Amino acid sequence: SQTIHQWPATLVQPVGSPLSLECTVEGTSNPNLYWYRQAAGRGLQLLFYSVGIGQISSEVPQNLSASRPQDRQFILSSKKLLLSDSGFYLCAWSVSAGRPRASNYGYTFGSGTRLTVV
Amino acid sequence: KQEVTQIPAALSVPEGENLVLNCSFTDSAIYNLQWFRQDPGKGLTSLLLIQSSQREQTSGRLNASLDKSSGRSTLYIAASQPGDSATYLCAVRRTIYNQGGKLIFGQGTELSVKP
Repeated sequence: SQTIHQWPATLVQPVGSPLSLECTVEGTSNPNLYWYRQAAGRGLQLLFYSVGIGQISSEVPQNLSASRPQDRQFILSSKKLLLSDSGFYLCAWSVSAGRPRASNYGYTFGSGTRLTVV
Repeated sequence: KQEVTQIPAALSVPEGENLVLNCSFTDSAIYNLQWFRQDPGKGLTSLLLIQSSQREQTSGRLNASLDKSSGRSTLYIAASQPGDSATYLCAVRRTIYNQGGKLIFGQGTELSVKP
């Protein structure tokens, strides 16, 4: 069975410090990978998605970047955190569109990382 | 641009009541629709997935329907329990060939079931 791991669960970082959040998927190959952010009292916003190694698409201009160094690893980074980067970050995966019966599969989300920038 | 709306934003019901959560979307060209549950401070748990060619899906006390032509989906919860208290999110996936098939979320319905 497929599983998704996301860490750390909580993080408190000072303004201007770097950030690295990691997400890994097990039990599947060539997944689509996504980073979402959920700000307090607001909906989920897609930040980045990836359909393959080294292929990253950004949805919104921001202080963050993403990388996919391996097929099942997705990393969210920042060189210098801003107060506005605080929020709940969720990693997710789905099967690639070209996979047989892809419509039978939805998204699976990780447990999230609560980031507080102070 | 696809927009997803969920009504009501919050709902409080006594235990045992049957209830309906509503989701509407502006573009009927969807790939599938997924209902999630989110407990406070936790990730999203998938409840039901309805493909664009399907009308409904059932899992236990949950039943989700889809009317693509009118841009609506409902999540029916039978015999609600306090453990059902959570935020329920509706999300649609755009056509699979477009931008990796990202999900567009509604704002959610916060459900509270009172004992």
